[in-house]
Amino acid sequence: QVQLVQSGAEVKMPGASVKISCKASGYPFTTYSLHWVRQAPGQRLEWMGWVNTDSNNVKYLQKFQDRLTITRDTSASTAYMELSSLRSEDTAVYYCARDRERYFDLWGRGALVTVSS
Amino acid sequence: DIVMTQSPDSLAVSLGERATINCKSSQSVLYGRDNKNYLAWYQQKPGQPPKLLIYWASTRESGVPDRFSGSGSGTDFTLTISSLQAEDVAVYYCQQYYNTFPAGTFGQGTKVEIK
Repeated sequence: QVQLVQSGAEVKMPGASVKISCKASGYPFTTYSLHWVRQAPGQRLEWMGWVNTDSNNVKYLQKFQDRLTITRDTSASTAYMELSSLRSEDTAVYYCARDRERYFDLWGRGALVTVSS
Repeated sequence: DIVMTQSPDSLAVSLGERATINCKSSQSVLYGRDNKNYLAWYQQKPGQPPKLLIYWASTRESGVPDRFSGSGSGTDFTLTISSLQAEDVAVYYCQQYYNTFPAGTFGQGTKVEIK
């Protein structure tokens, strides 16, 4: 079955880091790039960054440049998104999404990250 | 960055009636070399991830009912649900993917409900 399976919900203190995984199955992992998109409560979808799963090239939205790291492990068919120096505004559902021809044809179910003291 | 603006923010439509959602981009997403509009539509139901409905502005994704259609070019686009069904209650987002960086910006979403 073609799917992206994400890790579960996380609760973090302000200033902490969170690392979310996204495991691909049912297709060759390195054939498609993976993106990370987040959705804060009541807000629009916000693209954060992406990884070329073949070359391992990454790009991040400028606002996350200093605290976002996206990696991938081809042996595990898994991509990771780590966001550091968390603040309350980072409370959101974080999605991974597959890039078919620059639009996103397959999404993970999302991981809720709650930042609270 | 290209800014996507949808209208209306919400609409209520009777079952079996037509629903129309508009999306406007701050600059053209029509790429001259391939004559394609780099515009997609997604449906998001509560507690679920977005689901791809339409890409290249008017190409329906496999498995999407044909009551969903996309149209438009350049900066103005429309998603039409020809005969609203109960299962179509959701928030709909447009997305431009003309820019490779940032790789896709989304509209604010349009909530569709049953009248």
